[in-house]
Amino acid sequence: QKEVEQNSGPLSVPEGAIASLNCTYSDRVSQSFFWYRQYSGKSPELIMSIYSNGDKEDGRFTAQLNKASQYVSLLIRDSQPSDSATYLCAVIQGAQKLVFGQGTRLTINP
Amino acid sequence: SQTIHQWPATLVQPVGSPLSLECTVEGTSNPNLYWYRQAAGRGLQLLFYSVGIGQISSEVPQNLSASRPQDRQFILSSKKLLLSDSGFYLCAWSGGPKQFFGPGTRLTVL
Repeated sequence: QKEVEQNSGPLSVPEGAIASLNCTYSDRVSQSFFWYRQYSGKSPELIMSIYSNGDKEDGRFTAQLNKASQYVSLLIRDSQPSDSATYLCAVIQGAQKLVFGQGTRLTINP
Repeated sequence: SQTIHQWPATLVQPVGSPLSLECTVEGTSNPNLYWYRQAAGRGLQLLFYSVGIGQISSEVPQNLSASRPQDRQFILSSKKLLLSDSGFYLCAWSGGPKQFFGPGTRLTVL
């Protein structure tokens, strides 16, 4: 079992709709969770962090965490073509070491 | 504010040649520093991390090495490159749970 798992996609969503990205992790003691956005040919950019159960909203982005189910998700409301990118889920393990999922490629269709 | 630099941005090297990639961070002190590699179409692989000058932890045994000669400088090296060393090399820093990436170096080994 991979430590952090994501559906690789591609996930195709019409412009203006909600994009839902999911991630599961294997280490029950993980406490810190992150979502990065990576445009093609560019480095990952941190867009959300979440540390406690529930929802965390930042603009059009909402991160959701359920530690009991070991599940993290990212919702993007009012999706725009500029949201087309690969989204990486990451979980801290041990001393500040991030473990990344393989990423989900998201395409927003105008 | 903090800034992270990497150079060169792109590099084409023959098999068997040496490698030196440099990363520097500005605007913070005592950062944790990381080297990742992202092969084409694949996830991020942690190669090395450092919690202080001269302190290097290796995650994956291979022909690469890392050094941290100064607090905010991290260097990735190889004595002899392999074809399999091609990829996108990313340096990252953290001062807490969040990690921030530099612009990356795209290495092609021919």
